Amino acid sequence: TQLLEQSPQFLSIQEGENLTVYCNSSSVFSSLQWYRQEPGEGPVLLVTVVTGGEVKKLKRLTFQFGDARKDSSLHITAAQPGDTGLYLCAGDPTGANNLFFGTGTRLTVIP
Amino acid sequence: KAGVTQTPRYLIKTRGQQVTLSCSPISGHRSVSWYQQTPGQGLQFLFEYFSETQRNKGNFPGRFSGRQFSNSRSEMNVSTLELGDSALYLCASRDSSNTGELFFGEGSRLTVL
Repeated sequence: TQLLEQSPQFLSIQEGENLTVYCNSSSVFSSLQWYRQEPGEGPVLLVTVVTGGEVKKLKRLTFQFGDARKDSSLHITAAQPGDTGLYLCAGDPTGANNLFFGTGTRLTVIP
Repeated sequence: KAGVTQTPRYLIKTRGQQVTLSCSPISGHRSVSWYQQTPGQGLQFLFEYFSETQRNKGNFPGRFSGRQFSNSRSEMNVSTLELGDSALYLCASRDSSNTGELFFGEGSRLTVL
């Protein structure tokens, strides 16, 4: 059983479409992070959400932290081919500096 | 500022052999974490080192070990390799403030035949 479950696991969409990726857990997190990993590279941090209910925007990406701090979502508006990659949520439920990663969502945006 | 550097980038070993992977963190970063990434299991936490001490450990067998040197460079070793150890091994560093952001290297891709 994974601590952080992401859905969908795979997503293939046309350029210009909108999409939402979900990250769910039964554990409470003091914060959650979202990373994007492109082929041949390590993950790169996109955002950290800290407060329950918090919404953060990064250009066409909107991140939301659930009120109960157990889940998060990533919404992409008008997806571009450059958004293609593996999206990972990550959190530390124990406060012991162990960052656990979600199962990942592999997004492909078709031109 | 140079990023996290991992060597080697690719390597092929056979079952029963051992392997040592190296990671040089971002200058000034004292925390180094190691992760194993496979298609089936995703990113799994191996261990974290801080100031030459193992601070946290994931749920991996004792064949997986690591260490950190006084210059914060870290190595991880896998002994008695198994086919299932084939994976991308990622190293990540962060600064002492523990803001939580991990800076990852490009990884070492290990294939066990």
